[in-house]
Amino acid sequence: GENVEQHPSTLSVQEGDSAVIKCTYSDSASNYFPWYKQELGKGPQLIIDIRSNVGEKKDQRIAVTLNKTAKHFSLHITETQPEDSAVYFCAASIRLTGGGNKLTFGTGTQLKVEL
Amino acid sequence: DTAVSQTPKYLVTQMGNDKSIKCEQNLGHDTMYWYKQDSKKFLKIMFSYNNKELIINETVPNRFSPKSPDKAHLNLHINSLELGDSAVYFCASSLTRPGPGLADYEQYFGPGTRLTVT
Repeated sequence: GENVEQHPSTLSVQEGDSAVIKCTYSDSASNYFPWYKQELGKGPQLIIDIRSNVGEKKDQRIAVTLNKTAKHFSLHITETQPEDSAVYFCAASIRLTGGGNKLTFGTGTQLKVEL
Repeated sequence: DTAVSQTPKYLVTQMGNDKSIKCEQNLGHDTMYWYKQDSKKFLKIMFSYNNKELIINETVPNRFSPKSPDKAHLNLHINSLELGDSAVYFCASSLTRPGPGLADYEQYFGPGTRLTVT
């Protein structure tokens, strides 16, 4: 089955700096890679995603890159703000023939943005 | 508000009891999921249903029985609760687009149910 590794497990940056989180996956059949932000006591919130036919996607301060050959993808947050502090999860997805898709999650990165 | 909702938010119970968690989505999605998040925050899929049909059962003990009365609801019943069942359970939903070879689908998560078994 799919295996997703995520690094680092914790990341502390100064406000205004950039943060980068990296993930690798094992199953070449995975073709959709979402990123989720989870704040304390809340459910994971989809913040950006990338599909296998795209190498890069950007949404304001957040960008994601995908290297299918190397099977790795990364989340980049620029100009970090205190409200960016949360746990971030990457995931790799395989489409299911019966409908829907199976997400395999990384182990999460605790991002702390310090003033 | 359009969203995925779960009840209850907190559930504290004793070993051996039976409990249920309910999930509803009003996003018009046709696929729903249950995930378990353990104490180390690792998220793992348990079940998925598409149009009320079971698609995934990820080697979850038989004590866990999902039920989908319609495609907007997916409930989780747990029999004979054990200490190791303590976790946060998340419901999620997505929309399946027709046709082969299409990209995968965005999953939206509920707020979670924190289950504590004592």
